[in-house]
Amino acid sequence: GAVVSQHPSWVICKSGTSVKIECRSLDFQATTMFWYRQFPKQSLMLMATSNEGSKATYEQGVEKDKFLINHASLTLSTLTVTSAHPEDSSFYICSADLSSGVTGIEAFFGQGTRLTVV
Amino acid sequence: QKEVEQDPGPLSVPEGAIVSLNCTYSNSAFQYFMWYRQYSRKGPELLMYTYSSGNKEDGRFTAQVDKSSKYISLFIRDSQPSDSATYLCAMSDPGFQKLVFGTGTRLLVSP
Repeated sequence: GAVVSQHPSWVICKSGTSVKIECRSLDFQATTMFWYRQFPKQSLMLMATSNEGSKATYEQGVEKDKFLINHASLTLSTLTVTSAHPEDSSFYICSADLSSGVTGIEAFFGQGTRLTVV
Repeated sequence: QKEVEQDPGPLSVPEGAIVSLNCTYSNSAFQYFMWYRQYSRKGPELLMYTYSSGNKEDGRFTAQVDKSSKYISLFIRDSQPSDSATYLCAMSDPGFQKLVFGTGTRLLVSP
């Protein structure tokens, strides 16, 4: 299957600093990528939809100024958590759809990034 | 009420057992139904997807969708310890362009 690579797999940062997470589609081009957040024993919650060459679409309740998304190419989307605080500690996962049709039926996920803010 | 309900488990079974995992949903517009497997601290991996109602089989895995009851199932035959993971159901509709996930069921298969 298609490969989506996410980096770093884990990161610890100090409160108040910013952290950038990269999501790359290695063997296909992805016009759209998705960023999720997952708390322990909870489901994946969609944070935003990242569209190549345009602004991201954020879900209700997600602060766009805090979670900056850039989708500069068809193979790379980045999520920057700005001025991170301990409550931002979570598991962040990106996904990309192989097809441009119905979302999800060919969605491939990155391995996730465990962010811990101390 | 959540759009997608899934028992978080854990569900513990002995090796070789048949496992039944289920989700219910409330949005009748959902047309595509997916099952993902997620190992600890890893991203989800797509196992199967089904369009509308019916069954789909792939090796030891069978997915069933009953749209009249808004109920989907994943059956795992001859379960193996390597099947121990969290299984997430997810759904989407053609116009929504988003996936809605269940909370996931943690499965433990003991040797």
